[in-house]
Amino acid sequence: GQSLEQPSEVTAVEGAIVQINCTYQTSGFYGLSWYQQHDGGAPTFLSYNALDGLEETGRFSSFLSRSDSYGYLLLQELQMKDSASYFCAVRAGFGYGGATNKLIFGTGTLLAVQP
Amino acid sequence: EPEVTQTPSHQVTQMGQEVILRCVPISNHLYFYWYRQILGQKVEFLVSFYNNEISEKSEIFDDQFSVERPDGSNFTLKIRSTKLEDSAMYFCASSEVGGLRTEAFFGQGTRLTVV
Repeated sequence: GQSLEQPSEVTAVEGAIVQINCTYQTSGFYGLSWYQQHDGGAPTFLSYNALDGLEETGRFSSFLSRSDSYGYLLLQELQMKDSASYFCAVRAGFGYGGATNKLIFGTGTLLAVQP
Repeated sequence: EPEVTQTPSHQVTQMGQEVILRCVPISNHLYFYWYRQILGQKVEFLVSFYNNEISEKSEIFDDQFSVERPDGSNFTLKIRSTKLEDSAMYFCASSEVGGLRTEAFFGQGTRLTVV
């Protein structure tokens, strides 16, 4: 089967750092993406890791360990507007020539940022 | 900034009726997708479309569903004989060619309510 596990909820205060973990078990793996979703709106792309290591984009960083089937999203200097659901998603194919390029989403983590 | 647009934003339909959800992907993108999200749950892959044909579909995407690219800009999802359990948010997404760093852009979604 295919599964991605994330904590269901995380609470943190403004200005803090929070880490959202994701473990996955999928039949195909070409990378791990992170998406943010506010109140059922459009999932918005945050970050993508195809190789092991850390990717940094502003206040957000994402890490991947392929050998451990594990990744995390790190949010620094938290702001109230960061309150949202965060989904990890495995890219299940390479996507050339019509080959599968689908995303398999995790269960989502609801982040609540408090003043 | 280019974006994926979906219409309508909300659709209420009676059980057994047919609905067509419409999407305009980003103009230079070649891969198109439909995902759905039942309220409070994760985003689920339905179908991917490339070069005017389905490249992959999930077990959810049965004979009740069909997709079409009727012209150079629109991408539609048709649901025949809707059921109560089809009530969900339906997201269209598009991406450029495949490769290591392909980001999927999501539309704002169509909230389908079957009564």
